[in-house]
Amino acid sequence: ETGVTQTPRHLVMGMTNKKSLKCEQHLGHNAMYWYKQSAKKPLELMFVYSLEERVENNSVPSRFSPECPNSSHLFLHLHTLQPEDSALYLCASSQERQGDQPQHFGDGTRLSIL
Amino acid sequence: ILNVEQSPQSLHVQEGDSTNFTCSFPSSNFYALHWYRWETAKSPEALFVMTLNGDEKKKGRISATLNTKEGYSYLYIKGSQPEDSATYLCAFSDYGQNFVFGPGTRLSVLP
Repeated sequence: ETGVTQTPRHLVMGMTNKKSLKCEQHLGHNAMYWYKQSAKKPLELMFVYSLEERVENNSVPSRFSPECPNSSHLFLHLHTLQPEDSALYLCASSQERQGDQPQHFGDGTRLSIL
Repeated sequence: ILNVEQSPQSLHVQEGDSTNFTCSFPSSNFYALHWYRWETAKSPEALFVMTLNGDEKKKGRISATLNTKEGYSYLYIKGSQPEDSATYLCAFSDYGQNFVFGPGTRLSVLP
């Protein structure tokens, strides 16, 4: 068991739909992350939350909207996505938001935009 | 833009062979270097986090070294097994709290 659970595992949506990705961590960590992996590109950091406060947004388009209601849950709300947003979205957590803390990943949500 | 490179992009080795690959990162403002293993259909798994120049870490048949002055880290696998087949990712963090992954090295171990 990974300790970081993502749902759904797969999602197909139209460009006008609204959907949300969910991440839950059972590790008691204080930092959570959203990553995007597109084909043939490295993992890209999208958002970082530390103690439920967003501390980093790497110039992600506003059609992606994160939410962290508590330190165990992280959401990524999707709205009016584009075909190039089709990718694997990974959630991760770490004890603290420090660069020497190993990150624990979920299995990801494979998103396809029609 | 911080650039993290890994080489080779992919490699195939025979079971029992030892192998190594490289991660290159900026040598300035260094804070930590991570290695992860990512097996197909699974989640990335942390292998090592290294912070000190000259650091060497070992986990079973896998070990890693770190040179922060010249900006590189090596990952070694001794006596590769088919279950070692995975993509190996490195990630660099600096004192500016940037965290950047490399593109990975895809390893296939043939029985």
